[in-house]
Amino acid sequence: DVKVTQSSRYLVKRTGEKVFLECVQDMDHENMFWYRQDPGLGLRLIYFSYDVKMKEKGDIPEGYSVSREKKERFSLILESASTNQTSMYLCASSAVWIMNTEAFFGQGTRLTVV
Amino acid sequence: TQLLEQSPQFLSIQEGENLTVYCNSSSVFSSLQWYRQEPGEGPVLLVTVVTGGEVKKLKRLTFQFGDARKDSSLHITAAQPGDTGLYLCAGASHDKIIFGKGTRLHILP
Repeated sequence: DVKVTQSSRYLVKRTGEKVFLECVQDMDHENMFWYRQDPGLGLRLIYFSYDVKMKEKGDIPEGYSVSREKKERFSLILESASTNQTSMYLCASSAVWIMNTEAFFGQGTRLTVV
Repeated sequence: TQLLEQSPQFLSIQEGENLTVYCNSSSVFSSLQWYRQEPGEGPVLLVTVVTGGEVKKLKRLTFQFGDARKDSSLHITAAQPGDTGLYLCAGASHDKIIFGKGTRLHILP
């Protein structure tokens, strides 16, 4: 079974803290994604990576950065957490199948910034 | 910007009824997926459709991809309380996967 594992289910952080969200996948997938999910706004793409050390901005990259030093690991970094970054964060990975790209998701990290 | 519009946003129906939810876009996608998400969990893939006009069945769920590969529908026959959840459609384009906002389905026993 494909497994995408996010390091924490729940996190509470203070405003201004630097926050690291970690994601690991065990299927040797090339592509990895970070989304945030908010009521009424759906899933919004923050960043994605199609190879080690490669990254691309998604639709809402402001306030975030990412790191992909190894193929299996994709980290999302909140440089200085703010209350408007309170959200559910979802990591996903997919193989490079041009005609049949399917995303496999982690269980999500619910981040609260106080 | 590629957008996927899902309708309806919310649907609450009685057990045993049939329903259809829709996913529409002005863009063409190489493939389209449907996911189901339960509270506190990540989305789980239900099906992928690739060919225009394709129909796939998963027990009581029927998925159809539009001929032009811009839209899709999910039809549930004789809905059960276990079908309750958030249904998301997603389109694949190049390396990106773009999601609709979802249809929140609630089946009343």
